[in-house]
Amino acid sequence: GAVVSQHPSWVICKSGTSVKIECRSLDFQATTMFWYRQFPKQSLMLMATSNEGSKATYEQGVEKDKFLINHASLTLSTLTVTSAHPEDSSFYICSALGLANDNEQFFGPGTRLTVL
Amino acid sequence: AQKITQTQPGMFVQEKEAVTLDCTYDTSDPSYGLFWYKQPSSGEMIFLIYQGSYDQQNATEGRYSLNFQKARKSANLVISASQLGDSAMYFCAMREGLEGYQKVTFGIGTKLQVIP
Repeated sequence: GAVVSQHPSWVICKSGTSVKIECRSLDFQATTMFWYRQFPKQSLMLMATSNEGSKATYEQGVEKDKFLINHASLTLSTLTVTSAHPEDSSFYICSALGLANDNEQFFGPGTRLTVL
Repeated sequence: AQKITQTQPGMFVQEKEAVTLDCTYDTSDPSYGLFWYKQPSSGEMIFLIYQGSYDQQNATEGRYSLNFQKARKSANLVISASQLGDSAMYFCAMREGLEGYQKVTFGIGTKLQVIP
């Protein structure tokens, strides 16, 4: 149980385009989902926390207009990187907090974004 | 100040031996949780073990145990009987507060390589 999927697993796009990444909790309902970014050989940095049905809370330094987060249901959150640039190339990982167990975040497998 | 410090960028261990990965943390909140995650080359984050600040006993999960020394603010991970599949990045993380929706901060990680 407690499986989180992400789609796509990798994406290459041209500079200036927008990319949407989906994060789904497959076998549980997630009130809260988190979006992280990980640059090569670095740690995970929290970008934002999203709660179902409400606006996401962004960490300091993360542009909310550039990284649009929508958490429309208890099983789906999306991150849209708008007008992507090469510096946005990174590994994006989501995690979900289950309703039953709030000690543990269940992570998705990540999405590798490359912006040319 | 760094909230999570992992001072070992890389570690080697012989197969079947035990290894300790260091982690120290910094917080003034009396309620917090400590986590260890494993990240293989595929990128997914795998939850290993959790220790709450009020837990009296050190957490154990199979071959993983957490050596929790509260006064020293230390939360080292001990892996017993190392296996080749244990080769991966290991991240220590802390949540300030005991509520699942609260922010988790990650250390920079330790790369563990198990030698046959």
